Amino acid sequence: DGGITQSPKYLFRKEGQNVTLSCEQNLNHDAMYWYRQDPGQGLRLIYYSQIVNDFQKGDIAEGYSVSREKKESFPLTVTSAQKNPTAFYLCASSPQDYRSYNEQFFGPGTRLTVL
Amino acid sequence: EDQVTQSPEALRLQEGESSSLNCSYTVSGLRGLFWYRQDPGKGPEFLFTLYSAGEEKEKERLKATLTKKESFLHITAPKPEDSATYLCAVRVFSGGYNKLIFGAGTRLAVHP
Repeated sequence: DGGITQSPKYLFRKEGQNVTLSCEQNLNHDAMYWYRQDPGQGLRLIYYSQIVNDFQKGDIAEGYSVSREKKESFPLTVTSAQKNPTAFYLCASSPQDYRSYNEQFFGPGTRLTVL
Repeated sequence: EDQVTQSPEALRLQEGESSSLNCSYTVSGLRGLFWYRQDPGKGPEFLFTLYSAGEEKEKERLKATLTKKESFLHITAPKPEDSATYLCAVRVFSGGYNKLIFGAGTRLAVHP
């Protein structure tokens, strides 16, 4: 089955730690995205990548980093510089970002809690 | 400033009681409007894409419509399994890329 997987489902982080969230897709999509979801707010874009070895900052990139070494994988690192990291993190992909009307498909999410 | 507003924030319906969810937007250069369904603790599930004013899409008990300023998600004779949060997003070209702007969602609860 084609789809997007995220791991882990739940993640607990201590103050000052960096943690990495995994996102893998087997849809052969070029574009991948990371969003953050907080209660009562819309999804906000952290980073996106249109192609392997290239990525750009979204609206709330401070305190986060990404890499795109393989087409299938787009891991997100939440660094200690992120002041309020507790949130639900969603990874998405779409066939090609430059085609305006391509839908984005989402993974199941990772819930990160800072202890 | 590009903005998407969904109303109501929460909606409680009896099974079979039809209603509509609203998504109003103020953006410069709409490049598509998307509806998603999200169950608690899960990722959003794609429902519809609407491209231009006057367009309508249907899927089972759901029907999405689009005008120049808003979109409606009509739910006909809802069932308890339709309970979820419904998200609306618009695509705009901003900062050199195609960007999705999401509303905060409408939490729908359908009771037997």
